[in-house]
Amino acid sequence: NAGVTQTPKFQVLKTGQSMTLQCAQDMNHEYMSWYRQDPGMGLRLIHYSVGAGITDQGEVPNGYNVSRSTTEDFPLRLLSAAPSQTSVYFCASSRPTRANTGELFFGEGSRLTVL
Amino acid sequence: AQRVTQPEKLLSVFKGAPVELKCNYSYSGSPELFWYVQYSRQRLQLLLRHISRESIKGFTADLNKGETSFHLKKPFAQEEDSAMYYCALSGNAGNMLTFGGGTRLMVKP
Repeated sequence: NAGVTQTPKFQVLKTGQSMTLQCAQDMNHEYMSWYRQDPGMGLRLIHYSVGAGITDQGEVPNGYNVSRSTTEDFPLRLLSAAPSQTSVYFCASSRPTRANTGELFFGEGSRLTVL
Repeated sequence: AQRVTQPEKLLSVFKGAPVELKCNYSYSGSPELFWYVQYSRQRLQLLLRHISRESIKGFTADLNKGETSFHLKKPFAQEEDSAMYYCALSGNAGNMLTFGGGTRLMVKP
C-alpha cells in the first residue's frame, strides 16, 4: 500500500540551483497537487492537475514548474532555487469531484532548504 | 477569493478537559469544509468533513453558515489527540483545498 510517494525526503540546495521533487501515486487518482507548508501559513497550493496533460496554477506558483505526462507521476521543478523556497513540500492525490468525498491523500513530505 | 482562518497557533489543555479548535472561513459560494490532522511523524490525513456530520475519535464539527465557522470540538481531550490540526475549504478548483494556518493542540497529562 504505497499510496503517494515523494522523493527525496530531504534536500539542501544552494541559491540558483535547480532540482525536481518527485511524486508518484498508485491509486489511479486523476487529481494531483503540490502544497508547501510554512509555519503559521498552513499549506498553500502551488500547482495542481486534474488529469494527464492538464495542469494549472495554484496560489503560489512563481518559481515552480510542473508537468503531468502520466496519471501516476506529478513532478515539481524548482528552476532557480531561492531561500524563500525553503519549506516542506507535500504532494497529494484524490479522486475526481463527482466521486470524491473531499479526501486528499498526502505524501510524507519533502523538506527543502535553500542556502 | 476564499480564505480560512485559524486564530490560535497553539492550544494547550489538560487531559480530560474540553477542546475547541476555531476555524472561520470566507467564501462566496456554498462551502465544503474539512478538518485534517497531522500526528507526529505521520502523514497529513482527513479527520472529518462537514457533509458527513460524523464523529471521529470523539471529535465533531458543525458548519455555522451564519457565523462562517466550522469549529472542531471534543468534550474530553486525550493525550493522543496532540497533533497539528488544519481546517480546509473546498471551493471552485475541483478538489483543491484552501487550508488555514493550523493549530497545534497539546494535551498535557
